[in-house]
Amino acid sequence: DVKVTQSSRYLVKRTGEKVFLECVQDMDHENMFWYRQDPGLGLRLIYFSYDVKMKEKGDIPEGYSVSREKKERFSLILESASTNQTSMYLCASSRDVSQETQYFGPGTRLLVL
Amino acid sequence: GNSVTQMEGPVTLSEEAFLTINCTYTATGYPSLFWYVQYPGEGLQLLLKATKADDKGSNKGFEATYRKETTSFHLEKGSVQVSDSAVYFCALRVSGYSTLTFGKGTMLLVSP
Repeated sequence: DVKVTQSSRYLVKRTGEKVFLECVQDMDHENMFWYRQDPGLGLRLIYFSYDVKMKEKGDIPEGYSVSREKKERFSLILESASTNQTSMYLCASSRDVSQETQYFGPGTRLLVL
Repeated sequence: GNSVTQMEGPVTLSEEAFLTINCTYTATGYPSLFWYVQYPGEGLQLLLKATKADDKGSNKGFEATYRKETTSFHLEKGSVQVSDSAVYFCALRVSGYSTLTFGKGTMLLVSP
């Protein structure tokens, strides 16, 4: 079974802090994704990566950056956290462009005070 | 652009009732269609999918048919259980792209 893990289930940070959210997949997948999930807005794509050191902006990249130094790990970085970044963050992976199924981690619920 | 519209929730049903959650889409290319489910406190997991017109996806008693003429992919189940309480997301993926476009999700609450 594909396993996608996220470093924390819950995080509480203060405004202005630098925040790292980590995601690891164990199935040698090419593609990895970061979404945020908000009530009434569904899932919105922040960034994705189709290879090591490659990244593409999604629909809402402002205020975020990403890092993919190793194939299995995809990090989401909030350079200076703000209260409007309080949300549920979901990581996902898929094998390659021909595979349609994305596999999701359990999510990190981030509260920025 | 691509978009997915699904009915707003919550949908509240009694156990053994019939379920329909509507989903319609617009797409620039020829999409594959998906239903994902999110149980409380968990991430999303694929429930079913269909990759071409008139395909029917099915899993765990749920099914959905890809209707190109009405650009729809409605989710149905004949008899829901309390354990089906979750948020359901309709999504599409256009061929050649890795990214999914999601609807806003529909919460289903099933009471005994």
